[in-house]
Amino acid sequence: GAVVSQHPSRVICKSGTSVKIECRSLDFQATTMFWYRQFPKQSLMLMATSNEGSKATYEQGVEKDKFLINHASLTLSTLTVTSAHPEDSSFYICSARDSWWGQGVLYNEQFFGPGTRLTVL
Amino acid sequence: GNSVTQMEGPVTLSEEAFLTINCTYTATGYPSLFWYVQYPGEGLQLLLKATKADDKGSNKGFEATYRKETTSFHLEKGSVQVSDSAVYFCALRETGANSKLTFGKGITLSVRP
Repeated sequence: GAVVSQHPSRVICKSGTSVKIECRSLDFQATTMFWYRQFPKQSLMLMATSNEGSKATYEQGVEKDKFLINHASLTLSTLTVTSAHPEDSSFYICSARDSWWGQGVLYNEQFFGPGTRLTVL
Repeated sequence: GNSVTQMEGPVTLSEEAFLTINCTYTATGYPSLFWYVQYPGEGLQLLLKATKADDKGSNKGFEATYRKETTSFHLEKGSVQVSDSAVYFCALRETGANSKLTFGKGITLSVRP
């Protein structure tokens, strides 16, 4: 399957600083990427949908000024956690959607990055 | 709205035991159904999927059949291995170009040697 990378894989920062996480689709172009947050032993919570060249769509309850998303190219989306606090510590996972036509039918599939472990001290 | 319900975990099995992980769903339309696996410290990987009723998805010895009448997509494997220890997520996605994945809570499987 297609490959999605995330960088960094782990980051530790001080409270009040900002952290940027990169998500790249390595062998396909993705007009749509997704950012999820996963708490320990819980499911993935969709934070926002990132569309190339336009503003991200945030899920209810997610602060868009806190979690800045930029999707500047078809292979790169970034999530910036601004003024991070300990409660922002979590596992952040991105996903990229690959779409293709087959016999007149549009197929799409989401591929997930390996995740970024953020720890805010 | 859409929802996915998975059986409560965790599940602990001995190697070569039979595995069943239950998953039921609620959807307004005709969704595609997925099982994802997350190994420790890693992101999610697609394990198998089914796109319409009665389809059977299979991969790495795992199987799941899309049962529309019972709105279920239970995951099974005849003989688990220690390497199958991971978290398993059931998910659905409605049809449509802009549809999103809806995940169940996930269940942790531990396989003892």
